[in-house]
Amino acid sequence: KAGVTQTPRYLIKTRGQQVTLSCSPISGHRSVSWYQQTPGQGLQFLFEYFSETQRNKGNFPGRFSGRQFSNSRSEMNVSTLELGDSALYLCASTLVPAGGTDTQYFGPGTRLTVL
Amino acid sequence: TQLLEQSPQFLSIQEGENLTVYCNSSSVFSSLQWYRQEPGEGPVLLVTVVTGGEVKKLKRLTFQFGDARKDSSLHITAAQPGDTGLYLCAGARGNYGQNFVFGPGTRLSVLP
Repeated sequence: KAGVTQTPRYLIKTRGQQVTLSCSPISGHRSVSWYQQTPGQGLQFLFEYFSETQRNKGNFPGRFSGRQFSNSRSEMNVSTLELGDSALYLCASTLVPAGGTDTQYFGPGTRLTVL
Repeated sequence: TQLLEQSPQFLSIQEGENLTVYCNSSSVFSSLQWYRQEPGEGPVLLVTVVTGGEVKKLKRLTFQFGDARKDSSLHITAAQPGDTGLYLCAGARGNYGQNFVFGPGTRLSVLP
């Protein structure tokens, strides 16, 4: 069974631009979560989508948004990029989004660099 | 606000030594997970603990959840170079959906 795939793996943008990252969950998984990982702040929860609806949201500004499609694939968008948005963006998929004991399977991440 | 603290932040040991890393919080979590992350990859789940006082073993790794479900420890016996990585603990907030808070991690280096 294929794992979680994220595209692109690496991305370089300049301040003020916008970016869209893509995540394809494991087949059959319906919940997709997004995280931002930086050396200073560690892994921080952005949001979770289930059945095309955002179910949970972390403490990030409105420049960070996402969506999920009917096939469970998810995209996240960051508008008006800032230098501090440079990070590894991780996507995780879950089979049964019923609670905190479910196993999250992480993708390899997208490394975003903002110049 | 960092809800989960991990210690030590860095740990470098020789192959064959034992070690313990800690994950502490002032908050109660419905469950707690431990992950290992290697460079260039996403975190991989090692274990989930749910019940206060629970102990789980995974080969040379022993995980314990505190009685009050606020803290956890990971003990590695006879560490090997393959154990090198970033160890992250994550607490589940609530029982609805996937909403986890992660600790800053312990970066472990096991030297041959």
